Amino acid sequence: GAVVSQHPSWVICKSGTSVKIECRSLDFQATTMFWYRQFPKQSLMLMATSNEGSKATYEQGVEKDKFLINHASLTLSTLTVTSAHPEDSSFYICSARDPGQGEEFNSPLHFGNGTRLTVT
Amino acid sequence: GQNIDQPTEMTATEGAIVQINCTYQTSGFNGLFWYQQHAGEAPTFLSYNVLDGLEEKGRFSSFLSRSKGYSYLLLKELQMKDSASYLCAVGDSNYQLIWGAGTKLIIKP
Repeated sequence: GAVVSQHPSWVICKSGTSVKIECRSLDFQATTMFWYRQFPKQSLMLMATSNEGSKATYEQGVEKDKFLINHASLTLSTLTVTSAHPEDSSFYICSARDPGQGEEFNSPLHFGNGTRLTVT
Repeated sequence: GQNIDQPTEMTATEGAIVQINCTYQTSGFNGLFWYQQHAGEAPTFLSYNVLDGLEEKGRFSSFLSRSKGYSYLLLKELQMKDSASYLCAVGDSNYQLIWGAGTKLIIKP
């Protein structure tokens, strides 16, 4: 089945530094990838939609200058948390749909394993 | 506004059956998904319903009633490994997924 790989699985960084998270589709091409954030005991919150070859679309309330998204190829999207602060500590998850599994509206999202970010 | 409601937590016994309900109010409807999420892990796809009725997949079944804005996930022959959160998500008219907060299912021996 479709596999999405996310790296790193966890990272601890100091306040003020930047962290890059990679998301790769391993056996399919994804023109669109989705970045979610999940705080403990809360649901997934869509942060932004990453579009290959064009600018990402950010959800309301998400700072695009703080959460930089680059979708450089059909298999790779990166999320960079710039000048991280303790309140950015969360579980970040990327996902993508396999275009070979049906129409966009009815094909399931395949998730990476997530990145647990802790900012000290 | 758009809203997905699920119970916060449920407890069931190993070997039993449990039904997790989900009600939704969204602008448009393009299908309902159920995902399983173990603690500290990413969600994994369980089922998709777009037409009314029951979809069965092994021990798991999912039901949809569009007129009632209602779905349930039925888990049979519960195993300890089924302890997880179960997320209900609905595709709205823009094909955006609206997520419920998830139901934490605790299985007891």
